[in-house]
Amino acid sequence: SQTIHQWPATLVQPVGSPLSLECTVEGTSNPNLYWYRQAAGRGLQLLFYSVGIGQISSEVPQNLSASRPQDRQFILSSKKLLLSDSGFYLCAWSLLAGVAYEQYFGPGTRLTVT
Amino acid sequence: SQQGEEDPQALSIQEGENATMNCSYKTSINNLQWYRQNSGRGLVHLILIRSNEREKHSGRLRVTLDTSKKSSSLLITASRAADTASYFCATDLIQGAQKLVFGQGTRLTINP
Repeated sequence: SQTIHQWPATLVQPVGSPLSLECTVEGTSNPNLYWYRQAAGRGLQLLFYSVGIGQISSEVPQNLSASRPQDRQFILSSKKLLLSDSGFYLCAWSLLAGVAYEQYFGPGTRLTVT
Repeated sequence: SQQGEEDPQALSIQEGENATMNCSYKTSINNLQWYRQNSGRGLVHLILIRSNEREKHSGRLRVTLDTSKKSSSLLITASRAADTASYFCATDLIQGAQKLVFGQGTRLTINP
């Protein structure tokens, strides 16, 4: 069966520090991968998605970047964190099946920038 | 603005009652999905309804889709305390390039 992992679960970082969040998927090949951010009590904002190794699409211009160095690994990074980067970060994967597909989410990373 | 917007933003009912949440969207879709999120956790897929379907059932869940009104509803029957969570609709846009657009969610509280 497929499993998605995210780490760390929680993170407290000072403003101006770098960030690296990792997401890995097991049990599937060539998944679509997604990074979302969720503000408290709000919906999900799509940050990046990837349909293959090295292929990254950015949805919102911001202080973050993403990379996909391996088929089932998706990394969210920042060189210098801002206070506004605080939030709940979710990674998800899907397999395209025609035009209908479900997304499967990881447990999330709670990031607090102080 | 968001493609999907849920209504109401918050709903509180007694255990055993039915809960209905609505979702409206703006542009044409391939399908619409509903997800559930327990506090502080990732989202869990509940049900997917295709644009050519009008109603779908899964256990205590019933989803309807009206493409002429660009709206969907999620009905949870015989609610339980464990149904307390946030519920999100997500639309797969026809030109959405394998992306989902999520609404802001409905916060459902089931009182024992």
